[in-house]
Amino acid sequence: DTGVSQNPRHKITKRGQNVTFRCDPISEHNRLYWYRQTLGQGPEFLTYFQNEAQLEKSRLLSDRFSAERPKGSFSTLEIQRTEQGDSAMYLCASSHWTGWNTEAFFGQGTRLTVV
Amino acid sequence: QKEVEQNSGPLSVPEGAIASLNCTYSDRGSQSFFWYRQYSGKSPELIMSIYSNGDKEDGRFTAQLNKASQYVSLLIRDSQPSDSATYLCAVNGMNTGFQKLVFGTGTRLLVSP
Repeated sequence: DTGVSQNPRHKITKRGQNVTFRCDPISEHNRLYWYRQTLGQGPEFLTYFQNEAQLEKSRLLSDRFSAERPKGSFSTLEIQRTEQGDSAMYLCASSHWTGWNTEAFFGQGTRLTVV
Repeated sequence: QKEVEQNSGPLSVPEGAIASLNCTYSDRGSQSFFWYRQYSGKSPELIMSIYSNGDKEDGRFTAQLNKASQYVSLLIRDSQPSDSATYLCAVNGMNTGFQKLVFGTGTRLLVSP
């Protein structure tokens, strides 16, 4: 399978705990995006990487959220001190960015439930 | 005004009919436009991209773009029950430096047998 892979698929955690998600993009893609989606809404941008460089973080992303892409391959998204409002589907997407085309392909997502 | 607007639906069509899904966007400098299909509980799947004014056809799907009216649509011909899903419109615009996609909230399509 050469698509975008996310792990875990589901995560249930208690409020206040830390969680970490992993995303493996399509191998030749240089861009990796993290989005968050809640019920009835479209995906909401969180952050993106060009190779290993994190180029933008959404203003909506609190200090409890951090993302890395250490070698320009897989990426991790960590949420510290989770809150019930963090419950959502966390989506990773990758693209081969050519200057303006942003045709992005999503992974299966990680559904987070904070109890 | 939202950057990308879609009617949430549901849009109900009978099997075999044409489903027409619409999307408007506010950033006049937007350059590329995408339609994603999302089944309940699943992640979005890219089905169409369009960059120039006019129509682009791919099988039963036709994307239509009118940059002057800031309007993009998706037509699904011979709709099937398996087409029942939420359809997300996404735009890559000047406001974001063409760096990322901005999504609408999606239109739910129901195709009845």
